[in-house]
Amino acid sequence: NAGVTQTPKFRVLKTGQSMTLLCAQDMNHEYMYWYRQDPGMGLRLIHYSVGEGTTAKGEVPDGYNVSRLKKQNFLLGLESAAPSQTSVYFCASSNVGGENEQFFGPGTRLTVL
Amino acid sequence: EDQVTQSPEALRLQEGESSSLNCSYTVSGLRGLFWYRQDPGKGPEFLFTLYSAGEEKEKERLKATLTKKESFLHITAPKPEDSATYLCAVSGGTSYGKLTFGQGTILTVHP
Repeated sequence: NAGVTQTPKFRVLKTGQSMTLLCAQDMNHEYMYWYRQDPGMGLRLIHYSVGEGTTAKGEVPDGYNVSRLKKQNFLLGLESAAPSQTSVYFCASSNVGGENEQFFGPGTRLTVL
Repeated sequence: EDQVTQSPEALRLQEGESSSLNCSYTVSGLRGLFWYRQDPGKGPEFLFTLYSAGEEKEKERLKATLTKKESFLHITAPKPEDSATYLCAVSGGTSYGKLTFGQGTILTVHP
């Protein structure tokens, strides 16, 4: 039981390049989330999904797109990376309901030059 | 809009010196208040969920309590391995489980 996994662990991009971060969970959770964590800013929600085929915007969605084609996977895309997107990205998943805890992946450290 | 404020930003303790971390919150219809531990270079690790005022939960040297406006994470006789960033978050209303996080408290326990 791997829990929540993220690939890649590290990535360096040049401004304007694109990339996709992959999140996978094996707990059969309905809800999945993408956060970014920056020094002094805490964890901020980018996008989330309440089920296969659904996505919704979080607090800081600009510059990102997401897709949830399969229940176990949640992809985060950057179409044209900017230095402001340098951050640590975390994926999380949970059971249905706001009272359930989220389980987090190990994170992806992204640097945009 | 849900808000979470944690204090202090950083806390240094000697091994065995008990203390508390504070999490003040405002939320419409609290579904749950969550405490996480985060070690450097890793993802947050779930510790506790509290659902209603007056509730308390314990795990080893940690005890979390909840009132209508704040939560405390009490650390009794801490050890160096308790050093980490402690994050507080709330889920409220029809938020589909979306969490609003505080900025965290960095705890350092010296031997």
